[in-house]
Amino acid sequence: DAGVIQSPRHEVTEMGQEVTLRCKPISGHDYLFWYRQTMMRGLELLIYFNNNVPIDDSGMPEDRFSAKMPNASFSTLKIQPSEPRDSAVYFCASSLWSGDRGVEQFFGPGTRLTVL
Amino acid sequence: AQSVTQLGSHVSVSEGALVLLRCNYSSSVPPYLFWYVQYPNQGLQLLLKYTTGATLVKGINGFEAEFKKSETSFHLTKPSAHMSDAAEYFCAVTTNNAGNMLTFGGGTRLMVKP
Repeated sequence: DAGVIQSPRHEVTEMGQEVTLRCKPISGHDYLFWYRQTMMRGLELLIYFNNNVPIDDSGMPEDRFSAKMPNASFSTLKIQPSEPRDSAVYFCASSLWSGDRGVEQFFGPGTRLTVL
Repeated sequence: AQSVTQLGSHVSVSEGALVLLRCNYSSSVPPYLFWYVQYPNQGLQLLLKYTTGATLVKGINGFEAEFKKSETSFHLTKPSAHMSDAAEYFCAVTTNNAGNMLTFGGGTRLMVKP
């Protein structure tokens, strides 16, 4: 299995531009998570989906952030317009519900976003 | 709601020395506990997890952790540090009423001196 795939790995953009981050979860997984990691705030859960449906988006910082999961194999996190404070590493993770709460989340390699 | 506290954002040990990374959790219901490791410029990967049963859990790379309910702790240990253990380590918790959502601690960066 290829694992969780994220693209791009690095993104540099200018303030005000739209940024789209992409994630392909592990095939067959039914949960997908978006996290943001910064030095100041650590690892934050932004939103998660179950069977393509957003379950909890309380971590999304503001309306400039949106996430979609149009099908089981693809999700996007969009920032419009982007701001310098959005600079961070964004991780996507996926997992498979099995009735065992000890289910592991599998993380992608992350997208390092720099907003100038 | 549950929470996780990792004592010490940075820990430094000498190669061959004991590694001890501390994790305390708060939960009103039985927790499921995890340790993840993040190497530079990589995503997180699972080291070990506690669900039920044996309270001493062994993971990859010689790490182990012990669930102590009375102390609400899940400390990570390794008898002898190796240079390749230098990384950031995250403790996380979930519960039966938390969906499939993990709550992570702030992370501990482990440095290993030669």
